[in-house]
Amino acid sequence: AAGVIQSPRHLIKEKRETATLKCYPIPRHDTVYWYQQGPGQDPQFLISFYEKMQSDKGSIPDRFSAQQFSDYHSELNMSSLELGDSALYFCASSHGWGRRGTGELFFGEGSRLTVL
Amino acid sequence: GNSVTQMEGPVTLSEEAFLTINCTYTATGYPSLFWYVQYPGEGLQLLLKATKADDKGSNKGFEATYRKETTSFHLEKGSVQVSDSAVYFCALSGGYDTGTASKLTFGTGTRLQVTL
Repeated sequence: AAGVIQSPRHLIKEKRETATLKCYPIPRHDTVYWYQQGPGQDPQFLISFYEKMQSDKGSIPDRFSAQQFSDYHSELNMSSLELGDSALYFCASSHGWGRRGTGELFFGEGSRLTVL
Repeated sequence: GNSVTQMEGPVTLSEEAFLTINCTYTATGYPSLFWYVQYPGEGLQLLLKATKADDKGSNKGFEATYRKETTSFHLEKGSVQVSDSAVYFCALSGGYDTGTASKLTFGTGTRLQVTL
């Protein structure tokens, strides 16, 4: 079965550079979530989209932005990168949101960002 | 807001030992509860879930029962294997009655190391 696809899997950037991560949800999933997992930490919710509209917002820095496109894939844009942005970034998808949701998220394998 | 507390690791067990990883939660309404597992270098995989009180989730020999009276969702396995070595995350999502988004709130994770 098709899973959540994230790209790139690994990314190395310098401080103050910009990075873009992409996420392709499972077919027919309309909701996408972004999580950030620092070394030895639990995943922290950043932002989510339902039907191309932002549905919830967590601890996402102002330097980061994200959007969901008409084909439901999502991109996370990170600017003015800092050393502390080095982390594993997970994308997850689900069908529906809130009361219409199944309550189950399917995660991609993550994109590892290293900021030097 | 929602929160999840799980026992700190690492937990080191011999193969075939009994496993318990404690998880308690704080949430409004009727959340769904999950256990996710993260193997080294990989993403998060759903291990099991329970969506209402007294439900028991089970998979691959792991079990957890949704206890509303004690707000707990402890993970158990009768006989662990070396291949079970991983980090286990307890998580919850807003219950349907609250109308909240399906985003997950994670515990801090418990690392399990199983030795021969």
